[in-house]
Parts: sequence; C-alpha cells; structure tokens
Amino acid sequence: ETGVTQSPTHLIKTRGQQVTLRCSSQSGHNTVSWYQQALGQGPQFIFQYYREEENGRGNFPPRFSGLQFPNYSSELNVNALELDDSALYLCASSLPSKGETQYFGPGTRLLVL
Amino acid sequence: RKEVEQDPGPFNVPEGATVAFNCTYSNSASQSFFWYRQDCRKEPKLLMSVYSSGNEDGRFTAQLNRASQYISLLIRDSKLSDSATYLCVVNPGNRDDKIIFGKGTRLHILP
Repeated sequence: ETGVTQSPTHLIKTRGQQVTLRCSSQSGHNTVSWYQQALGQGPQFIFQYYREEENGRGNFPPRFSGLQFPNYSSELNVNALELDDSALYLCASSLPSKGETQYFGPGTRLLVL
Repeated sequence: RKEVEQDPGPFNVPEGATVAFNCTYSNSASQSFFWYRQDCRKEPKLLMSVYSSGNEDGRFTAQLNRASQYISLLIRDSKLSDSATYLCVVNPGNRDDKIIFGKGTRLHILP
C-alpha cells in the first residue's frame, strides 16, 4: 500500500450540490495532485498543491477548487455538481520535484444523479 | 496529434506469450516517463519509470525513443496476473505544464 488515504470511498450526490473529498498524503510527501478518471479514460489532471499553494492546474473550471493543509493533507471541492462530474477522483502524493513518482490513494467514486 | 496516445486494446494474449505496447507523446521537451498499471476499479500503481537508456525489471522492459517520441513496454512470459490496464504517463518537467496520462491499454492474459 502507498500510505495515501482518501475519504469517502463512495459518494452519491445530485446535480447542483457541492462535494468535498479528502486526501492524506504519504508520510514525507508535501506535494498532492488530484485527478479525475471517467470510465474508460485515463486520469485527467485537475490541480496540484505544494506546501499549501496551488502549483499547476489542468483544464477544469473554477468550480473545482482545492486546499492543502500544514500537515500536507488536501481537499478537493466541487461546486454546482453536474452529471459529467461522475467519476473516480484520485489523489496522488509525491516528493517535491514534479518529475517524481506519483503514489495514488484508492480514490473516491462519485456518482452525480 | 494527441498529447499522449495509446492503443486502447484489448490485447488478448495467451499465457506465456510476449506482448508489447507503445505510447506516443507530442511534446518533444517532455522530461520523464512512467508506466503505471491499473486493475479494474483500483487506483493506478507505478510499474516502472522509463529511462533514456532503457530499463528492465524482471519480465518487464521499458524503452524510450526520443527521436520518434514514443515509449514502449515489453512483457515477457506473461502471467494471468498481468491482466490489467497499462497507463503511459508523460511529465513535461516544468511547473506550467501538467502531467499527462494516456487512456491506457487493456491487456487480457488468456489461460
């Protein structure tokens, strides 16, 4: 196991609601990245946090936002949920350099009805 | 050309056979490359990094061809447990560009 944990494991929401997903990084890792993986697709990069600051963002609208805390755990918030937001949300932690290996948590499976 | 492209498969291969996948990338300045393995309904797990000189880990060999902008993964003596989706990952290596995953290649090893 990677030591990266995510909660909750599964979640069902309705359109228009808001959701917060949580991630605890592997010990010693101060960089956390979030990904969205739709069925049959590869993970899509949402954003990355390094030492509590956003450090890169993919092509996701502003209703996707995040936080990183002093203990390097992180949250992903999604407002005004849409049906297409249904996906597996993966958190990955890594060492400071962006070229380093990503260690993934088990993911949160979100279903938007 | 897509940023990272893989043949989605599925590759149906008999146990014991050798199978190879390629992955092409569009950004010639990309710095680091990885192969991840993802089992059904599980998170991706690092299989191996890909080095310029090529590298081997047991039955798995990864190669990088910068001139043609592709990486490859070779699996020898395939096992039933190798059945999974194999994701190619390209890291551009600068803070303004995002890490890119391919859509994955599905591999089924047949008994």
